[in-house]
Amino acid sequence: QQQVKQSPQSLIVQKGGISIINCAYENTAFDYFPWYQQFPGKGPALLIAIRPDVSEKKEGRFTISFNKSAKQFSLHIMDSQPGDSATYFCAARPYGQNFVFGPGTRLSVLP
Amino acid sequence: DGGITQSPKYLFRKEGQNVTLSCEQNLNHDAMYWYRQDPGQGLRLIYYSQIVNDFQKGDIAEGYSVSREKKESFPLTVTSAQKNPTAFYLCASRPGSGTDTQYFGPGTRLTVL
Repeated sequence: QQQVKQSPQSLIVQKGGISIINCAYENTAFDYFPWYQQFPGKGPALLIAIRPDVSEKKEGRFTISFNKSAKQFSLHIMDSQPGDSATYFCAARPYGQNFVFGPGTRLSVLP
Repeated sequence: DGGITQSPKYLFRKEGQNVTLSCEQNLNHDAMYWYRQDPGQGLRLIYYSQIVNDFQKGDIAEGYSVSREKKESFPLTVTSAQKNPTAFYLCASRPGSGTDTQYFGPGTRLTVL
């Protein structure tokens, strides 16, 4: 019940396209859902995060869509660029407890 | 510059040796964390500390030890008891209770020869 499932494992998108990564969870106590971006050999960096009281949050080209009833949330990268090529992790955290991370999605954006 | 520093960036160890990975933060964050990252897997929590002189085991603490003698420092020792220590190790910190955002350091890649 503490797992966060993430798909796809890898994703190839053409420049200018939309990248979509999906995550699903079981624990209804999760109340904070961040997405992290990680470049090879670097630490993850917080990209965008959402709480379950909203269904969507947008920051620039990055959007989180959240479906509380389905216990799913997704990251959309609009107008994907080669510089977006990285590994993306979703995560979830019950209030006052530690994060649970998805296994990651390796995104490649072709020029 | 404020942030989290980890050293060294690369570390090589012979089997049977203990090694210590450094993690320092000047963000005045209360909580600090150690994660292990293996290819194709999510981050797995090794140890965490909410306050100085106190720490708790995470999901995969066997073969590791930590200390938290200062707020800004949280070193991780990988002992010879860790059966498969080759991995990328990430340190993270969080401001404190009521704050969700967790910030990561640049990582240390440990290779056992």
